[in-house]
Amino acid sequence: EPEVTQTPSHQVTQMGQEVILRCVPISNHLYFYWYRQILGQKVEFLVSFYNNEISEKSEIFDDQFSVERPDGSNFTLKIRSTKLEDSAMYFCASSISGTGVSPLHFGNGTRLTVT
Amino acid sequence: GESVGLHLPTLSVQEGDNSIINCAYSNSASDYFIWYKQESGKGPQFIIDIRSNMDKRQGQRVTVLLNKTVKHLSLQIAATQPGDSAVYFCAEKPQGGSEKLVFGKGTKLTVNP
Repeated sequence: EPEVTQTPSHQVTQMGQEVILRCVPISNHLYFYWYRQILGQKVEFLVSFYNNEISEKSEIFDDQFSVERPDGSNFTLKIRSTKLEDSAMYFCASSISGTGVSPLHFGNGTRLTVT
Repeated sequence: GESVGLHLPTLSVQEGDNSIINCAYSNSASDYFIWYKQESGKGPQFIIDIRSNMDKRQGQRVTVLLNKTVKHLSLQIAATQPGDSAVYFCAEKPQGGSEKLVFGKGTKLTVNP
């Protein structure tokens, strides 16, 4: 069964550094998402992306965050200057037809640790 | 004060029993609901979804029930197996053009052999 893949599985970075989290969504999916889960907390929506542009973003997704689909297969999340509170699991997801029409399929996440 | 992690509701069942996991959702205008299973170290895994124009939907060994009157969602797992042990999340989609899912805090299911 096709799946969403994320790399790396664990990223450690120093505060103030830039990080790029990478995702390969399921190949025939058109909608892409980033969610995060701080340890012990709920899964939270960050951003949705469709037709090469952001379709919706949360309050968490401030100017330090950006997303990109640089080619036909990858979908990336960049954090420009990491803060301690950015430490979390970051999940990429994709969907064929968008939220509410078809289910979101999640990757296994990247654990980001900011020291 | 210091924030603490969520204290997850827990459910412990015997192998072979049926499990019922409950979820109270927040937005009466939500029009789509979905259940995910999350095993340790993995991402949320899709189980089953339901739209607000339905009350019940069945999958393989799972049934989702939606009660819009009391904003309640439940997941029934038949003949629970040790491999069903995980944290189960419900999520809702606000009505309209929103693309986001709003997740609940999860229930930890433990299946005893």
